Amino acid sequence: GENVEQHPSTLSVQEGDSAVIKCTYSDSASNYFPWYKQELGKRPQLIIDIRSNVGEKKDQRIAVTLNKTAKHFSLHITETQPEDSAVYFCAAKRGTYKYIFGTGTRLKVLA
Amino acid sequence: GAGVSQTPSNKVTEKGKYVELRCDPISGHTALYWYRQSLGQGPEFLIYFQGTGAADDSGLPNDRFFAVRPEGSVSTLKIQRTERGDSAVYLCASSLQGAGETQYFGPGTRLLVL
Repeated sequence: GENVEQHPSTLSVQEGDSAVIKCTYSDSASNYFPWYKQELGKRPQLIIDIRSNVGEKKDQRIAVTLNKTAKHFSLHITETQPEDSAVYFCAAKRGTYKYIFGTGTRLKVLA
Repeated sequence: GAGVSQTPSNKVTEKGKYVELRCDPISGHTALYWYRQSLGQGPEFLIYFQGTGAADDSGLPNDRFFAVRPEGSVSTLKIQRTERGDSAVYLCASSLQGAGETQYFGPGTRLLVL
């Protein structure tokens, strides 16, 4: 069935270093891939997204890459800051509305 | 403008009781989603509304779960005969329309079934 695998489950980096989170999806019909940041007790917030006809997208310190052939996409955060600490979820959208989420990555940025 | 809101923010109930969880989407958003998020997991799809109709309820775990959106705006998720395994955060999200539009999440309702 539809599945999104996300790795790693936890990630600790020193402030200023880069962080990379990877997701793999199973359904080749997936066409949209958002990334959400969720702080403890808060709602998921969209931080960046990419559509299936694009290979890479960047927004300041955050970038997402997509490899459709391999069915995986990655989130890259450069120059990490303590406020980047949160749980990050990837998702893959199939068709017009069905989102499948990854299991999350707990990122800790050490000051 | 106002974002997606959900009430109550927390709900504690006893096993076997009935609960209703409410979602107020962003005004004008025709698409509405309900998700369930268990501790340490990503949101799990429950049901999708386009307007007043449930276009896809394939994620509802069993017939104890039901959701309505009678006027195409506010939605209520109803859980009958609650079980301890229903304990989770129930998230609502809305988008301007279903296809290709960004989802905006509500703060969630944390349900605890004792």
